[in-house]
Amino acid sequence: DIQMTQSPSSLSASVGDRVTLTCRASQSIGTWLAWYQQKPGKAPVLLIYKASTLQSGVSSRFSGSGSGTEFTLTINNLQPDDFATYYCQQFSSYSPYTFGQGTKVDIK
Amino acid sequence: QVQLQESGPGLVKPSETLSLMCAVSGGSISTSYWSWIRQSPGKGLEWLGRVYISGTHDYNPALKDRVTMSVSMSKNEVSLRLTSVTAADTAVYYCARDSGDYGDFVNNWFDPWGQGTLVIVSS
Repeated sequence: DIQMTQSPSSLSASVGDRVTLTCRASQSIGTWLAWYQQKPGKAPVLLIYKASTLQSGVSSRFSGSGSGTEFTLTINNLQPDDFATYYCQQFSSYSPYTFGQGTKVDIK
Repeated sequence: QVQLQESGPGLVKPSETLSLMCAVSGGSISTSYWSWIRQSPGKGLEWLGRVYISGTHDYNPALKDRVTMSVSMSKNEVSLRLTSVTAADTAVYYCARDSGDYGDFVNNWFDPWGQGTLVIVSS
């Protein structure tokens, strides 16, 4: 299995901050990576796919980058609605598809 | 737009079979793979497998021979069966549509997801 490791596991930030979340793959996955946002009691919601393509309807304050084994999700001008947990997922191989353990972004 | 809704028993006894349904509305059930994903505090998000209308499927090897998925076009539903459950199978179970570039059924992300249904395994 391809292991996905996210860092940090949690971070505290203020409204208006820029935050960067990292996701590392145990082997190269090209740009076959997605990012999801999950709020308590809700299902994950797709933010970005193919490492850097913004899902329709998602704020342009979110951006993704990276390839191979290292990826980042950046949130500019953090808003109250952005406080949530973020997960990365690799889809290079469906044997099996795997997720990172998540990064929780909370209010400082 | 496509919407998904999971349903099924919220409590299952150890060693019994967990059966869940996912109702698909707002789109065709026959043009996508459909995945089941679960989330538990101990194991995070875990992809269980996926199924196509033809019955073609890919299952997570970690579940060995315990999982079966199917699609019913007449009912517009996707089903999940997980046998011989234990407390480790306690989780929120989600169904999701596999999405990808046209014709690419390998490199897929998940969008949308259902709201999820909590299943507790306990006697």
